[in-house]
Amino acid sequence: EAGVTQFPSHSVIEKGQTVTLRCDPISGHDNLYWYRRVMGKEIKFLLHFVKESKQDESGMPNNRFLAERTGGTYSTLKVQPAELEDSGVYFCASSFRGLYEQYFGPGTRLTVT
Amino acid sequence: AQSVAQPEDQVNVAEGNPLTVKCTYSVSGNPYLFWYVQYPNRGLQFLLKYITGDNLVKGSYGFEAEFNKSQTSFHLKKPSALVSDSALYFCAVRDKRVNRDDKIIFGKGTRLHILP
Repeated sequence: EAGVTQFPSHSVIEKGQTVTLRCDPISGHDNLYWYRRVMGKEIKFLLHFVKESKQDESGMPNNRFLAERTGGTYSTLKVQPAELEDSGVYFCASSFRGLYEQYFGPGTRLTVT
Repeated sequence: AQSVAQPEDQVNVAEGNPLTVKCTYSVSGNPYLFWYVQYPNRGLQFLLKYITGDNLVKGSYGFEAEFNKSQTSFHLKKPSALVSDSALYFCAVRDKRVNRDDKIIFGKGTRLHILP
């Protein structure tokens, strides 16, 4: 069974540009989560989808971040316009509904210069 | 508010020796507790969890963790360290009172170095 996949693995963009990150969860997992780790800090929750609905978006830092999960399958996280403080590793995770542990993808390392 | 503390940024252990990576937590109710590991250039891998029952839980790669309610701790342990155990370890928690699908809260991570 394929795990959670994320694309791209790395992205280097200039301040003010737009970047879109993609996450493909494990097949059949209704729950999809986005997290972010800024250098040396904790991994912080961004938001949670149940199928195509946003269950909790309390961790989204501001309105420059837009997440979607059309059709309840893959998800995208768009940052527009990117700022320097957006640099970090963005992790996606998924879980089967009612299952306690979440399964993580390899992350996308975003560098904003 | 829920929180997790990993008091050590780095732990160095000689190969073959027992290892312990410390974690303490703070939640309002009873916790769901997790350990994840991140190897270089890889994503987070689930190691083990404590939900209820036996305080000693066993996980992948020979790791185990002991839940101690009175000390609010969930230390990760392994009887004999391998060089391949060198990685970044994250402790995480979720409050059992909320939806079991809710987000989890991570500690800052502890880098484990196993010295050959």
